[in-house]
Amino acid sequence: AQSVAQPEDQVNVAEGNPLTVKCTYSVSGNPYLFWYVQYPNRGLQFLLKYITGDNLVKGSYGFEAEFNKSQTSFHLKKPSALVSDSALYFCAVRDGGNTPLVFGKGTRLSVIA
Amino acid sequence: NAGVTQTPKFRVLKTGQSMTLLCAQDMNHEYMYWYRQDPGMGLRLIHYSVGEGTTAKGEVPDGYNVSRLKKQNFLLGLESAAPSQTSVYFCASSLNRVGYEQYFGPGTRLTVT
Repeated sequence: AQSVAQPEDQVNVAEGNPLTVKCTYSVSGNPYLFWYVQYPNRGLQFLLKYITGDNLVKGSYGFEAEFNKSQTSFHLKKPSALVSDSALYFCAVRDGGNTPLVFGKGTRLSVIA
Repeated sequence: NAGVTQTPKFRVLKTGQSMTLLCAQDMNHEYMYWYRQDPGMGLRLIHYSVGEGTTAKGEVPDGYNVSRLKKQNFLLGLESAAPSQTSVYFCASSLNRVGYEQYFGPGTRLTVT
């Protein structure tokens, strides 16, 4: 069975500082990993994904994520946080079959000016 | 393209009442999903469909039924609403391709009193 853990419910960071939102996963076979962002009273928006290839994946709004197979992690990063990045972030995983995405519980990012 | 749309946006039900949530997508996606989002629980899959005329149970299917009579529509029904079904419901769709991301609707906020 697939599972995702986001160990931090809340991450606080000062504007301009780098940010990291952590995600670890468990899946049989090769993982397909995704990050989504949710702004208040909105649906989830796709940020980036890892399918295969380079371990560093670049996505929307300056976000990137690093796939680490040995640590089964897929942490979301941004070099310089903006107040507008404040939102709820979800990590998700699926295996190579036709199974739906499994989501983590989400991490609330708060960027303080 | 409108993407994924959901009707209604808000609804208040009394315990025991029934209702149907409608999801529509105009991206010709084969797969469609219904999730519920509750505080601290992340997104949990209720039911999903891998094609017209097919449905399958997700993680939390009890108390819900679904139908996929047309490729572009996926209906979620509550036959006898309970307060535990108070939640925000999200519909999503995706292509039938491994590694393809899911696209989400704006959500329906349901309150059962």
